[in-house]
Amino acid sequence: DAGITQSPRYKITETGRQVTLMCHQTWSHSYMFWYRQDLGHGLRLIYYSAAADITDKGEVPDGYVVSRSKTENFPLTLESATRSQTSVYFCASRAERTSGMYEQYFGPGTRLTVT
Amino acid sequence: QQQVKQSPQSLIVQKGGIPIINCAYENTAFDYFPWYQQFPGKGPALLIAIRPDVSEKKEGRFTISFNKSAKQFSLHIMDSQPGDSATYFCAASMDAGGTSYGKLTFGQGTILTVHP
Repeated sequence: DAGITQSPRYKITETGRQVTLMCHQTWSHSYMFWYRQDLGHGLRLIYYSAAADITDKGEVPDGYVVSRSKTENFPLTLESATRSQTSVYFCASRAERTSGMYEQYFGPGTRLTVT
Repeated sequence: QQQVKQSPQSLIVQKGGIPIINCAYENTAFDYFPWYQQFPGKGPALLIAIRPDVSEKKEGRFTISFNKSAKQFSLHIMDSQPGDSATYFCAASMDAGGTSYGKLTFGQGTILTVHP
């Protein structure tokens, strides 16, 4: 499928477990991002990547790890899940349009519940 | 901290009304201001965006008004329809060609309900 996909769409896990959220894009965009969405906070940036093997922390990186060995994939790992990481996670990739507009395309999201 | 403050949190209008959502930012280095629309169960999607060299941009029924001196921008939806019911997010970014990589700082979101 063309575009940006995330898997799984829904995940329930227990406190302390490791969980990996997958993100795949077919456009070969260089830039990719992970956000979490919580009511009252909007979307907050967790990690971002400018290219394969180049990643950096965003606003709320604690408890998360990312990797990017291939341009099209950008997995997000919760090393030891906590209840505060219950959220909806969105992956995005960035295109550069004409006139300097930098549109980010978002995936459908993964709803994660940590019990 | 680079913040974008959005208001109101929720908004209810009748069909045909003109909802207005406001955002304020602090960092004068921001140079790109998009609005995203999100329907339940979906990811956000770009609705309209503006750069600070213009004061207004219109695309269909959606208009962004931008006040650089006040560091504020707003979204107006003309002739609103029930299908416009969604969550709207403002955002800001800077220097996408540099080390910021076009990272978006989002507002808190506004849940818009348009009654028939």
